[in-house]
Amino acid sequence: DAKTTQPTSMDCAEGRAANLPCNHSTISGNEYVYWYRQIHSQGPQYIIHGLKNNETNEMASLIITEDRKSSTLILPHATLRDTAVYYCIVRAANAGNMLTFGGGTRLMVKP
Amino acid sequence: EPEVTQTPSHQVTQMGQEVILRCVPISNHLYFYWYRQILGQKVEFLVSFYNNEISEKSEIFDDQFSVERPDGSNFTLKIRSTKLEDSAMYFCASIEGEMNTEAFFGQGTRLTVV
Repeated sequence: DAKTTQPTSMDCAEGRAANLPCNHSTISGNEYVYWYRQIHSQGPQYIIHGLKNNETNEMASLIITEDRKSSTLILPHATLRDTAVYYCIVRAANAGNMLTFGGGTRLMVKP
Repeated sequence: EPEVTQTPSHQVTQMGQEVILRCVPISNHLYFYWYRQILGQKVEFLVSFYNNEISEKSEIFDDQFSVERPDGSNFTLKIRSTKLEDSAMYFCASIEGEMNTEAFFGQGTRLTVV
């Protein structure tokens, strides 16, 4: 799986949009971008994934650049409960493939 | 919403003892995984399981580890002779299949080896 690079930590004010960047310059054509988050020591939680088109669901939006070398996860109105470590993972979409977690971005949402 | 459940939430065991960590994946899911996270470190893949056999395993998953799906619902991870360095959070995950590839994780079992 392609490697990803994320900032170690970010702050965001409560109610504002949180924009979490991810670089994945070596992504291959059949690899998707997945985002998960881990709140404290809980199990990772799936947020969203995409191949090349932008995606939106009830949790977040995913913006993927045209060359697919980077992406941004957007939490439109961050709340204190969104404080977590956010992982960007690139992975071929075969269900059997494992997820390779990096260090992620520690997002701190502040009042 | 369906969820992956893991028991126990916390297990304390003496070094050298066998432990079995239990997971009930989401009922219609076909792919099952174990991951672990040592305190303060990354989430690490251990093993994947599909069609009643291991499909992939990491270097961590040595002969001390085994997995089983004994009754079609439970998915277990056994550590035969625990070591201090096995102390970690262990997460079970499941994926429905090729059309829905998001992984659902359980809340984890904290294993403490003393």
